[in-house]
Amino acid sequence: QVQLKESGPGLVQPSQTLSLTCTVSGFSLSSYSVHWVRHHSGKSLEWMGRMWSDGVTSYNSAFTSRLSISRDTSKSQVFLKMNSLQTEDTGTYYCARSYYYFGYYVMDAWGQGASVTVSS
Amino acid sequence: DIQMTQSPASLSASLGETISIGCLASEDISSHLAWYQQKPGKSPQLLIYGANSLQAGVPSRFSGSGSGTQYSLKISNMQPEDEGDYFCQQSHKFPWTFGGGTKLELK
Repeated sequence: QVQLKESGPGLVQPSQTLSLTCTVSGFSLSSYSVHWVRHHSGKSLEWMGRMWSDGVTSYNSAFTSRLSISRDTSKSQVFLKMNSLQTEDTGTYYCARSYYYFGYYVMDAWGQGASVTVSS
Repeated sequence: DIQMTQSPASLSASLGETISIGCLASEDISSHLAWYQQKPGKSPQLLIYGANSLQAGVPSRFSGSGSGTQYSLKISNMQPEDEGDYFCQQSHKFPWTFGGGTKLELK
């Protein structure tokens, strides 16, 4: 059964660094990409970046140099690190799996989300 | 970045009604379009990919269509469990972008 689960601190102080872990099961990180998507309460979803199955990363330029995604395939974990957090970074952070299928990307499985509040 | 404009922002439908949600891309996205349903407190669930391919396990009353810059999601025979937020998303170019969402309620 394919599962993804985000974990990390629910509260982060302004200007500090957010560290989240996505632990996956039921599939290999060497065969699928994992994305990070943010959802601001009451607003839409925002794609942040992804870890390709070959270990290459790509990021949304909206996060400039604040964002870093890495992985540990032996532990089936993908990590998100984002520094210089501000209150507008408050939201729910999801990791999601994707694969390429007959010419289209399919983002078919999502974690339950990690709620993050940026506040002093 | 490709802008995705979704309409309407909200709608209310009666049981058994057929509704349609639209998504307009700021440039041709060549059918690299997915639709998701999200219920309160839950993660998004994939409904449609490739503009018109139904994800496994999704009821056949959901269907997608469109090409170029214009796409739509149709829900036939509205059911209570169809209440929720719906998002379109393009995967033609990075960064992937989402529409603003449509809130669907049962009348």
